[in-house]
Amino acid sequence: EPEVTQTPSHQVTQMGQEVILRCVPISNHLYFYWYRQILGQKVEFLVSFYNNEISEKSEIFDDQFSVERPDGSNFTLKIRSTKLEDSAMYFCASTASRYGYTFGSGTRLTVV
Amino acid sequence: AQSVTQPDIHITVSEGASLELRCNYSYGATPYLFWYVQSPGQGLQLLLKYFSGDTLVQGIKGFEAEFKRSQSSFNLRKPSVHWSDAAEYFCAVGNTNAGKSTFGDGTTLTVKP
Repeated sequence: EPEVTQTPSHQVTQMGQEVILRCVPISNHLYFYWYRQILGQKVEFLVSFYNNEISEKSEIFDDQFSVERPDGSNFTLKIRSTKLEDSAMYFCASTASRYGYTFGSGTRLTVV
Repeated sequence: AQSVTQPDIHITVSEGASLELRCNYSYGATPYLFWYVQSPGQGLQLLLKYFSGDTLVQGIKGFEAEFKRSQSSFNLRKPSVHWSDAAEYFCAVGNTNAGKSTFGDGTTLTVKP
């Protein structure tokens, strides 16, 4: 069964550093998403991406965040200057039909 | 604005017993509804989805859910729970235009032997 692959599975970074979280969506999917889940809290929408541009973003997705699909297969989330409160599990998802995602296993980001 | 309420934070059932997890949604148009399961340290797996048509939808792992428009509910059911069903369950409502989903707070299911 096709999978969404996320790397790394766990990243520790110092506050103020830039991090890039990587995702390889399912190859024939056209819609891509990033969600995050702070420990013990609900899953929160960050951004959706279609046709090489952001289609929607939440208030969480401020100027510190950016997304890119650099080479037609990878889908990345960059946080420019990490804060302690960015510590969370970040999930990438993709879909072909726009409804009903396939999620990756997540990247646990720890900011120290 | 779309929202989802899962009234039960934690549910414990005995193995072999039936299960119902509640989900209520708020959405201005016809909702797109989903149930996901998350095992500890894992990602989210789609159990089932409702877009239109038959209000009783079947999913993977023996789960089903019933859409009741009059009650704004989309409750998840399973007739006989297995120990491996212990996990966190999330209900979500989808945005019809951009595919954004709003998740509920989740219900933790514990299965007693």
